[in-house]
Formats: sequence, C-alpha cells, structure tokens
Amino acid sequence: GENVEQHPSTLSVQEGDSAVIKCTYSDSASNYFPWYKQELGKRPQLIIDIRSNVGEKKDQRIAVTLNKTAKHFSLHITETQPEDSAVYFCAASIPFNAGGTSYGKLTFGQGTILTVHP
Amino acid sequence: EAGVTQSPTHLIKTRGQQATLRCSPISGHTSVYWYQQALGLGLQFLLWYDEGEERNRGNFPPRFSGRQFPNYSSELNVNALELEDSALYLCASSLYEWTPRSYEQYFGPGTRLTVT
Repeated sequence: GENVEQHPSTLSVQEGDSAVIKCTYSDSASNYFPWYKQELGKRPQLIIDIRSNVGEKKDQRIAVTLNKTAKHFSLHITETQPEDSAVYFCAASIPFNAGGTSYGKLTFGQGTILTVHP
Repeated sequence: EAGVTQSPTHLIKTRGQQATLRCSPISGHTSVYWYQQALGLGLQFLLWYDEGEERNRGNFPPRFSGRQFPNYSSELNVNALELEDSALYLCASSLYEWTPRSYEQYFGPGTRLTVT
C-alpha cells in the first residue's frame, strides 16, 4: 500500500521567515496531495492541495510543489506568523475510481510541529 | 454551510466494553471516512462508507466496524475495547460524484475515546 514519509518532525522558525515541509510517497498511482493544518485541540483543516497534473499551486503565503518523477511534494509557507504555529500533515490519495484496495482513503505523513517565534 | 459534526465529544469506557461514535457529514456529501489519531502516531485510515456501503477498510481488526444510514450519517462501533484504542477518532466527508472537488475531505472535531 501507499506510504508517506514527512520531514522534519519539528520545525522552529522566527516570525517572517519561510518554512518548508517535505513529503515523499511510494505509490506512483497517487494523484491527489492535500495538506492539513491542525491546531491544538482542533480538527485538521484542509489548507491547500495539488493534483498530479499540476507542478505548483499557490494561495497567498502558502504554496505546494509536486515532483511526480521523484515522488515528493513540499509545503512552503512564506512570511510566517505566530498563528501559523500548528501541526501540519501531508497526505496522498489514489483516485477512488481506480479500483484496488487503496482508493478513496488518505494516507498521511506523521506530521510536522511548526513553531513560529514572535 | 454547516461542517462535519461528531458526537459525543468525549467518551470514557472500560476495557472490554463497546463504544459507539457518530458522525454527520456536510450536507450534500455522500462519503464518510473514519480515521484514528492516536497520540504521536498521525492519522490512520479506518473505514470509508458511501451510499450505505463499506467501500474500503484500513488495517484494523474486525472489532472496528460501522455503518452508514440513508441520510449519509455514520456510526463507528468499537467492540471489546482495549487500552490501545484510546485515541481521537476523526470523521471526514467528501463528495463521491466525479467532480474536481470530490477528492477533498473535510474533518469533524473528533471524539476523544479514553479506555481505562
């Protein structure tokens, strides 16, 4: 089945700096890669996603890049703010109409604890 | 638009008992997913229901089961509770029809299950 590795496990930056979180996946059939932000005691919140037909996607201070050949994707946060402090999870998904045993579910990385110091 | 809701917020059970957790998806969403978030272990896929049927299952024992009702709400049942079942159980919903947004899964606040 799919396996997603996420690095680093913890990341500490100063306010205003950039933060980069990297993930690799194992199944080349995966074609959907979302990123979730989970603040302490709250639900995971979808912040950005990318599909395999796109190499990069940007939404204000957040961007995601995808390298299908190398099977890795990254989250970039620019001009970090203290409210960006949270646990970030990457995930990968095989399209639900592809059949097999992996379709429909998200396989998550282990998470990155991001701390932005004022 | 109301989000995914889950009940109860917290649930305390003793080993060997059964737990029932409930989830209501976003209006218009037909797929419901269940994930387990144990401390320090990330999110692990449990079950996926759509149109009342179980579509996929994660690597969990059969004592984890569930169902989906005609109104698309879902129930997760955990039988013969063990201490290691203590975790946050998250429900997510998505569209199943073939649209660009059908991949997106939106999570509920979770049910914190504690087994003593």
